[in-house]
Amino acid sequence: NAGVTQTPKFRILKIGQSMTLQCTQDMNHNYMYWYRQDPGMGLKLIYYSVGAGITDKGEVPNGYNVSRSTTEDFPLRLELAAPSQTSVYFCASSYAGSSSYNEQFFGPGTRLTVL
Amino acid sequence: GESVGLHLPTLSVQEGDNSIINCAYSNSASDYFIWYKQESGKGPQFIIDIRSNMDKRQGQRVTVLLNKTVKHLSLQIAATQPGDSAVYFCAENGSGYSTLTFGKGTMLLVSP
Repeated sequence: NAGVTQTPKFRILKIGQSMTLQCTQDMNHNYMYWYRQDPGMGLKLIYYSVGAGITDKGEVPNGYNVSRSTTEDFPLRLELAAPSQTSVYFCASSYAGSSSYNEQFFGPGTRLTVL
Repeated sequence: GESVGLHLPTLSVQEGDNSIINCAYSNSASDYFIWYKQESGKGPQFIIDIRSNMDKRQGQRVTVLLNKTVKHLSLQIAATQPGDSAVYFCAENGSGYSTLTFGKGTMLLVSP
């Protein structure tokens, strides 16, 4: 199993541009998550999904959108990139939620810079 | 807000020492806790977890201790090695939710 894969690894955007960060998992996990990590900080939850067709906001959803059309894929969309969205983005997945004592598995991250 | 994020708490140890990394969690309703290790340029990697019905859990070279009275979690690493150098995060679930809340992390530096 490849686990959780993310593309691209790095990206530089200009202010106002849009892009989609891709995330795929091959573990047949129901739950998927998007986090951002700013320098020297912990992970902040952007959006999550408990199954195909279901998404919900996390702690910092503004400026982002998600969709979950399949179990495997959970893309994150930035519509109008802003410098405040410069960060490292991590996708994660788990079989069930944390209330069922399930750990999350993380991808390698996408480093995004908005200039 | 306070800008302490760029200055992670750092623990510096010598190779072979035992390391103890501490974490204060916020939600008294949390009943599941995880320690993650994050090496530079990589995603977080699961180390060990513990449920609130336990005070202690041991893995290979690692032990997690949970004190629910003071909402404190610790990670003990025995015979620390240079490969243990990383940032360590604790995470809690906040009982009843599907998600995890992460702490700010502690950087562990192991010198040979």
